[in-house]
Amino acid sequence: GIQVEQSPPDLILQEGANSTLRCNFSDSVNNLQWFHQNPWGQLINLFYIPSGTKQNGRLSATTVATERYSLLYISSSQTTDSGVYFCAVDANNNDMRFGAGTRLTVKP
Amino acid sequence: EADIYQTPRYLVIGTGKKITLECSQTMGHDKMYWYQQDPGMELHLIHYSYGVNSTEKGDLSSESTVSRIRTEHFPLTLESARPSHTSQYLCASSPTLGGGDQETQYFGPGTRLLVL
Repeated sequence: GIQVEQSPPDLILQEGANSTLRCNFSDSVNNLQWFHQNPWGQLINLFYIPSGTKQNGRLSATTVATERYSLLYISSSQTTDSGVYFCAVDANNNDMRFGAGTRLTVKP
Repeated sequence: EADIYQTPRYLVIGTGKKITLECSQTMGHDKMYWYQQDPGMELHLIHYSYGVNSTEKGDLSSESTVSRIRTEHFPLTLESARPSHTSQYLCASSPTLGGGDQETQYFGPGTRLLVL
């Protein structure tokens, strides 16, 4: 099945800093989503982005489907951005494969 | 904001017991999913459904069953709980199979299960 690799596994930032999270996948996909899991375990969808670029406030994402990677950008990070960021992909409309996540800690 | 509910939120149970985790969504979504997640780790797909009377197995399906008799309801049953089942169970739904943003998944708050 399709493999999903996220980097870095852990990231510690000072409040106000910018960051880039990466998701590599091993095959063509028709669905790619970024999620944020807060410290209480709730998963929130950030972007549906199988290709192209989207922006939502301080967050933006870019997927280069031909090169099989996606990037999540966080600008002017806040302590509330802390948590685990997951990338998930679907190659054949059957199921979503999740990466291992990037654990982000934003310090005040 | 998505409306997807899971009960119970927390469950402590003894080995060998049969348990059913409930998941309901009020958005009329066709596709529903069950995932298992150990703390801070990746999610593993257990089962999913395309709609009423449709159920499909994921990677970790061998020790559980699901049913989809109504669009809004997708319960997960463990016939005989074991300590290895201790984990968080997350239910999700997505609107349709039509592609585009309609494939976006919405997650419930999860059920934390402890099997003694």
